[in-house]
Amino acid sequence: NAGVTQTPKFRVLKTGQSMTLLCAQDMNHEYMYWYRQDPGMGLRLIHYSVGEGTTAKGEVPDGYNVSRLKKQNFLLGLESAAPSQTSVYFCASSYGRVDSPLHFGNGTRLTVT
Amino acid sequence: EDQVTQSPEALRLQEGESSSLNCSYTVSGLRGLFWYRQDPGKGPEFLFTLYSAGEEKEKERLKATLTKKESFLHITAPKPEDSATYLCAVKQGAQKLVFGQGTRLTINP
Repeated sequence: NAGVTQTPKFRVLKTGQSMTLLCAQDMNHEYMYWYRQDPGMGLRLIHYSVGEGTTAKGEVPDGYNVSRLKKQNFLLGLESAAPSQTSVYFCASSYGRVDSPLHFGNGTRLTVT
Repeated sequence: EDQVTQSPEALRLQEGESSSLNCSYTVSGLRGLFWYRQDPGKGPEFLFTLYSAGEEKEKERLKATLTKKESFLHITAPKPEDSATYLCAVKQGAQKLVFGQGTRLTINP
């Protein structure tokens, strides 16, 4: 079972460049999430989706866009990268019930210079 | 605003030395408190969910308990392989988890 798979694992961008992070899950989960993790800040929610074709803003959405064209995939885009977006990005998915835990991928480490 | 605070930030123990990690929370209507373990370079791995004060859950050397204001993760006779960062989170509405900053636990052999 692959679970939640994130690509790429590492990426270095220059300020102003764009990129897309891909998340894929094979557990038929309805809900998907993008978090960022920074030292001393914990995990913060960027955007999430409660189903195919839907997206919603989380706690820190500025500078990011997302799309959920297929149930199993959730894409996170950075249109014009900034050094403040240097972070580790985690994708997660869940069944969406109140008692459903989130299942996480192993993260993408992004550095913006 | 829902808040989750974990203490201590870091904890170093000798193998076999039992201790507890704390997670205090303020949330309007708790819908679940979750504990995760995170190893370096990996995503968080789910451990427990607690729903109501007085509830307890156990897994190997770990036991999680819940009161109306906080949760404790008790580690009994830990081994070096228990070294990790432990994260606490509360459910916000039906969809989102709000995380604490984590406790980095190191068990020395």
